[in-house]
Amino acid sequence: SQTIHQWPATLVQPVGSPLSLECTVEGTSNPNLYWYRQAAGRGLQLLFYSVGIGQISSEVPQNLSASRPQDRQFILSSKKLLLSDSGFYLCAWSVIRGSLREQYFGPGTRLTVT
Amino acid sequence: DAKTTQPPSMDCAEGRAANLPCNHSTISGNEYVYWYRQIHSQGPQYIIHGLKNNETNEMASLIITEDRKSSTLILPHATLRDTAVYYCIVSGTGANSKLTFGKGITLSVRP
Repeated sequence: SQTIHQWPATLVQPVGSPLSLECTVEGTSNPNLYWYRQAAGRGLQLLFYSVGIGQISSEVPQNLSASRPQDRQFILSSKKLLLSDSGFYLCAWSVIRGSLREQYFGPGTRLTVT
Repeated sequence: DAKTTQPPSMDCAEGRAANLPCNHSTISGNEYVYWYRQIHSQGPQYIIHGLKNNETNEMASLIITEDRKSSTLILPHATLRDTAVYYCIVSGTGANSKLTFGKGITLSVRP
């Protein structure tokens, strides 16, 4: 069976510090991978998605970047965090079976920038 | 992808059916309707999807109008654990198609 891991679960970082969030998927190959952010009290915002190694599409210009160094690894990074980067970060992978675009989400990382 | 419109919130009594509406008047012929839900502090969970026929699974039923401009998610016997934000999403079938989550509808199930 497939599983998705995210770490850390919670993180408190000062403004201006770097960020690295990691997501790995097990039990599937060549998945589509996604990074979402959910600010407090708001909906999910798609940040990046990837259809393969080294292929990253950015949805929103921002202070963040993403990389996919391996098939089942997706990393979200920032060189200098801003207060507005606080939020709940979710990684997801998707299976494409005919019409179905079912996404499976990880447990998330709650980031607080102070 | 077509945009969806949902009321911000609704509530229902435990054990009764919860009918969650969604408008998607600009949906195109090859776009599907998806429903996900997000329980507080967790990632969204897939519920059901459909194209034009009504669909049912162990979690819910999806009723799509004949003109496909609106749909209703039905939770037949709501429980307190169904309290969550429910997202109605319209998406195509291309390999790069994405799910765009709006604000959803907050369902509160009361005892």
